[in-house]
Amino acid sequence: GENVEQHPSTLSVQEGDSAVIKCTYSDSASNYFPWYKQELGKRPQLIIDIRSNVGEKKDQRIAVTLNKTAKHFSLHITETQPEDSAVYFCAANPDSSYKLIFGSGTRLLVRP
Amino acid sequence: DADVTQTPRNRITKTGKRIMLECSQTKGHDRMYWYRQDPGLGLRLIYYSFDVKDINKGEISDGYSVSRQAQAKFSLSLESAIPNQTALYFCATSDRTGGYGYTFGSGTRLTVV
Repeated sequence: GENVEQHPSTLSVQEGDSAVIKCTYSDSASNYFPWYKQELGKRPQLIIDIRSNVGEKKDQRIAVTLNKTAKHFSLHITETQPEDSAVYFCAANPDSSYKLIFGSGTRLLVRP
Repeated sequence: DADVTQTPRNRITKTGKRIMLECSQTKGHDRMYWYRQDPGLGLRLIYYSFDVKDINKGEISDGYSVSRQAQAKFSLSLESAIPNQTALYFCATSDRTGGYGYTFGSGTRLTVV
C-alpha cells in the first residue's frame, strides 16, 4: 500500500525566514497531494494542494512543488510569521483514489 | 454553515467497554472517513465509505467497526475498548464534485483506562 514519509518531524525558524517540509510517497499511481495545517486543539485544514499534472503551485506565502519522477513533494512557506506555528501534514491518494494517506506530521515553530 | 460534527467531543471509558463515536455532516458530501491521530504517527485511516452501501477497511481497522446509517451519518464503534485505542479520532468528508479535498470534523478525544 501507499507509504508517505514526512521530514522533518520538528522545525524551528526565526520569524521572516523560510520553512521547507518534504514528503515522499511510494505509489506511482497517486495523483493528488494536499497539505493540511493543524493549529493546537483544532481540526486539520487544507491549505494548498497540487495535482500530478502540475509541477508547482503558489498561494501568497505558501507554495508546493512536485517531482513525480522522484516521487517527492515539498511545502515552502516564505516570510514566516508566528501564526504559521502549527503541525503540518502532507498526504497522497493511493491508486488515484479519493482516500488519503497522511505523513506523520511536522511541528513548525516560528520564533518571534 | 455546513459542517462536520462529531459526538462526543471527549470520552473516558473503561477497558472492555463498547463505545460508539458518531459523525454527522450537513455538507451533502457522499464520501466519509474515520482517522485516528497519535503523536508522531500522523493521521491513520481506519475505515472509509464512498456511499451508503460502501464500506472499506483502511490502514488500521482491527478492533474497529463502522456503520453508514445514511449519507450524512457515519459511526465508528470500538467493540471492546483497549488502552492503546486512546487517541484523537477525526471524521472527514469529501465530495465527488469538489474533488479530493477533505473537510474534517472537530475531533473526539477518547481515553481508555
